[in-house]
Amino acid sequence: SQQGEEDPQALSIQEGENATMNCSYKTSINNLQWYRQNSGRGLVHLILIRSNEREKHSGRLRVTLDTSKKSSSLLITASRAADTASYFCATMAQGGSEKLVFGKGMKLTVNP
Amino acid sequence: GAGVSQSPSNKVTEKGKDVELRCDPISGHTALYWYRQSLGQGLEFLIYFQGNSAPDKSGLPSDRFSAERTGGSVSTLTIQRTQQEDSAVYLCASSTTSGRLSGNTIYFGEGSWLTVV
Repeated sequence: SQQGEEDPQALSIQEGENATMNCSYKTSINNLQWYRQNSGRGLVHLILIRSNEREKHSGRLRVTLDTSKKSSSLLITASRAADTASYFCATMAQGGSEKLVFGKGMKLTVNP
Repeated sequence: GAGVSQSPSNKVTEKGKDVELRCDPISGHTALYWYRQSLGQGLEFLIYFQGNSAPDKSGLPSDRFSAERTGGSVSTLTIQRTQQEDSAVYLCASSTTSGRLSGNTIYFGEGSWLTVV
């Protein structure tokens, strides 16, 4: 079963614009991670935010986490054509199994 | 090794045949995960190893699927009597310790693309 749900499912923007992707989840979590996937192959880890953190930055990426709303957002600032990829959020639930549960992903297209 | 290594990269097999997919995790990583991704879909969890044991194998779709890990390192995912619906990319990932406790990053391999004809 999938816990994270990304929104929107697809986003097309122009180079230089900001891209915001949202993720909602259902159960209490230990951490939430964002991944990027190019061309349907291996995933690349972007950023991890723990349940006791509210915001985290990494380069042009900003992630927020609102555990009361069970939601997270990924902001990519000053987007580039090379940011074109699918983006996934993944959660690790509190207690129980230590598996990472992924959402269905969101396709971002950055037009030059 | 430098990263998670998976083999074969691509595999075409006839329906009914058995296949083995191999994953070589990053050296020293104790946790190992298998996921499946069908075309244009999200990742479906299959099984998780901590060392050589599998605390969670709840995602294996049927008894045709099995996985093992030996020496706390290499893992093999075996699919018996393959069906066309098994066609997907099978992704392996590893991390240094259990991700829940430490929040460590999980590193993915490039995947094995399986096509059952």
